[in-house]
This record gives sequence, structure tokens and C-alpha cells, in this order.
Amino acid sequence: QLQLQESGPGLLKPSETLSLKCTVSGDSISSSRFYWGWIRQPPGKGPQWIGNIYYSGTTFYNPSLESRVAISADTSKNQLSLTLRSVTAADTAMYFCARSDISASYHYWGQGTLVTVSS
Amino acid sequence: DIQMTQSPSTLSASVGDRVTITCRASQSISMWLAWYQQKPGKAPRLLIYRASSLERGVPSRFSGSGSGTEFTLTISSLQPDDFATYYCQHYNDYWRSFGQGTKVEIK
Repeated sequence: QLQLQESGPGLLKPSETLSLKCTVSGDSISSSRFYWGWIRQPPGKGPQWIGNIYYSGTTFYNPSLESRVAISADTSKNQLSLTLRSVTAADTAMYFCARSDISASYHYWGQGTLVTVSS
Repeated sequence: DIQMTQSPSTLSASVGDRVTITCRASQSISMWLAWYQQKPGKAPRLLIYRASSLERGVPSRFSGSGSGTEFTLTISSLQPDDFATYYCQHYNDYWRSFGQGTKVEIK
């Protein structure tokens, strides 16, 4: 059974770098049938797509975040990573990792991890 | 950028009601639209993909329709478990975005 588990520090100060991991079990992140994404959701608001990473390592990012964000994959650990530089209070959100396929929809999601940016 | 407009933002309904939520795109997205249900403190749950395909395990009272720029999610007979917030999500080239959400409340 596929499981995704996000992890990382819950509290950051403004200007710091956010680093999150998504550990995947029940499937290989290097499978060519699927790709993986990060989505965030500020409190009380709708989800915001951050970006995707494909089995080839190719990434695509939300243009509004592209200058600060990086998504990578560690196939030896079956783990995805999200890095977001120079965070502000506006980056406070629940961060989710999820799996997608040719349908371009996210069929499986992690439970999410809350990140708060505050001085 | 393609803009997605979801309506209504809030909907009050009773158990047994037929409920329809609309998502409009600023330009054609073919059938590249999905619908999700989200409950407080939980991750979104995929209900419909490619505009009208029912995700495995989702009750058949949920259905999706539309193509191009206008899409609808219909719940044929609202059940107590269906009170939640619903989001559309579109795909264009390699980018995605979500609608603003529709909260379905108990009337």
C-alpha cells in the first residue's frame, strides 16, 4: 500500500531556508509510470501547487515560486525533498507531497506537515 | 496564465439534495480537470479526474462533466459525509493550479 510521509522543522524564522522530506513506501519514486509533486495550503485558503519532479529528474515549478524553490529526489532512500529559500510569513502553510500519473491528478497524498514562519 | 473560477464559494444544502459546483477556465483546458474533496485537517481526496472519470473507491453519487472551459461536479444525493470543501484543479502543459474552493454546509 502506497504511503507518503512528510517531515521537517515546523517553525522557521523569516529569511531562513525551508527543507522538507517526503518518504515514500509501497512504490519506487523512480518508476516511470508516476511523478511526484509538492502542494501547500496556507491556513484557511485553497491548495497551491508548488512543483513536480519526474522519474528522469526533470522538474517544473509554479512560476510564482520558481526563483526560490527546488525539488529533488533521492532514489536510494526513496525520498523526495523540497527546498524553499528566503521564507516569509506568507510561506506559512501545510505542505503536502503527492503522487500523480498520466491523468495529471494527484491520486495519493501524504498527511501533510505544518510549517510556520515567525520571528 | 489560465485562471480558474469556482462557484459558488459557499453552498448550503440538506441531506438528499442534488448539488452542483462549477469551475470555469479562462481558456480551454480540454478535459484536464480534477475535483477533490477536503475535510478539516486532512489532505485533499481525489474524486474525479480528466473531467469525468470516477476515482476508484469514490461513491457513484459523485460525477463530473464538461470540457473546454466549463466543468461541473455533481453530487446526486448529498450524504452526511459529503459536507466538506471541494476544489477543482487544472493541468496545462506542465503546470497546475487549484480553484478557490466551494464549502458545502448543512442547511
